[in-house]
Amino acid sequence: DTAVSQTPKYLVTQMGNDKSIKCEQNLGHDTMYWYKQDSKKFLKIMFSYNNKELIINETVPNRFSPKSPDKAHLNLHINSLELGDSAVYFCASSRPGVTDTQYFGPGTRLTVL
Amino acid sequence: SQQGEEDPQALSIQEGENATMNCSYKTSINNLQWYRQNSGRGLVHLILIRSNEREKHSGRLRVTLDTSKKSSSLLITASRAADTASYFCATDLSGYSTLTFGKGTMLLVSP
Repeated sequence: DTAVSQTPKYLVTQMGNDKSIKCEQNLGHDTMYWYKQDSKKFLKIMFSYNNKELIINETVPNRFSPKSPDKAHLNLHINSLELGDSAVYFCASSRPGVTDTQYFGPGTRLTVL
Repeated sequence: SQQGEEDPQALSIQEGENATMNCSYKTSINNLQWYRQNSGRGLVHLILIRSNEREKHSGRLRVTLDTSKKSSSLLITASRAADTASYFCATDLSGYSTLTFGKGTMLLVSP
């Protein structure tokens, strides 16, 4: 069974549209994350979230918002998509605590035209 | 600015050779982790070394950590074509609850 899954795997859309990427983990983890990987493979944390706290990277535009319907899901909503949002987005999860291993999803390649 | 910097950016070797990648970081850490990313896939955790450890082994992987130099190295012995991937170091900064990744080393192992 897949530990961390994301849908869709590929997302192609027009500038200005609103889109969502879904993430689910079946590991029983309390903490989930969203990362953005650019064309140079630089991986940047966007959000970390558990049932108590949302930590937002201050460089992330407020067009991006995480939404967690329950502990196993952390979806990423993006409003008014821009060309510069094109990237691969990864969801990850871990047990609570700052030192633990993170488990990554397969990624969603977003292309904004 | 990013915390971890891997070196080299790219490494090309033959099967059977050893591959060494280095990572430098800037501030105090709780631990340092190494991840592998195959092309088009998510990252996979390889090994975690805590700030009070100096060396750790896992199969063909050997990781060292020198906190005085703020650097770590990942050694893959007897490399295989299947080791072809990008390798990232990630640091867990003291006082922060997230990982900060470097830009990665792209390793190509030719048969």
